[in-house]
Amino acid sequence: KAGVTQTPRYLIKTRGQQVTLSCSPISGHRSVSWYQQTPGQGLQFLFEYFSETQRNKGNFPGRFSGRQFSNSRSEMNVSTLELGDSALYLCASSPGGLNTEAFFGQGTRLTVV
Amino acid sequence: AQSVSQHNHHVILSEAASLELGCNYSYGGTVNLFWYVQYPGQHLQLLLKYFSGDPLVKGIKGFEAEFIKSKFSFNLRKPSVQWSDTAEYFCAVRVFKNAGNMLTFGGGTRLMVKP
Repeated sequence: KAGVTQTPRYLIKTRGQQVTLSCSPISGHRSVSWYQQTPGQGLQFLFEYFSETQRNKGNFPGRFSGRQFSNSRSEMNVSTLELGDSALYLCASSPGGLNTEAFFGQGTRLTVV
Repeated sequence: AQSVSQHNHHVILSEAASLELGCNYSYGGTVNLFWYVQYPGQHLQLLLKYFSGDPLVKGIKGFEAEFIKSKFSFNLRKPSVQWSDTAEYFCAVRVFKNAGNMLTFGGGTRLMVKP
């Protein structure tokens, strides 16, 4: 069974630009959640999608958005990039029901210069 | 809002030493508890999980954890560490909000095992 696939693995963007990251969950998983990992703030929850609907949202500004497609693949978008958005962005997939575990992808390393 | 605390940020042990990493959370309702490990350059991998039942759970690679509800704790243990256990360890808690999959992570503990 293929794991969670995130693309691209690495990105370098300039301040003010926008970026789109992609996540393909494990086949059959309907829940996709996104996390930001930085040395200073650790792992922070961004949002979760289930069956194309955002079910939960973390405490991030509106520049951070996401969506999920009918095949459960998900994208997250960050607009008007700031230097502080440099981080490892992790995607996790899960069947979505209670008492289930989340499986993480390798992440996308975003560097904003 | 729930929070997760990991008491040790950095731990250095010699091979064969015993390991215990502390994790406390603040939430009074039903929770799922997890320990994840992140080896250098690799993705987060699940070590073990607690959903319900026996509070002593066993995971991969000889790790185990004990859920003590009265202390809001979920400490990770391993009787004898190996050099290959060098990694960062994260405790995570999921509370049920919209039946969702929102994990709150502790700050992580970097473990270095000296050969």
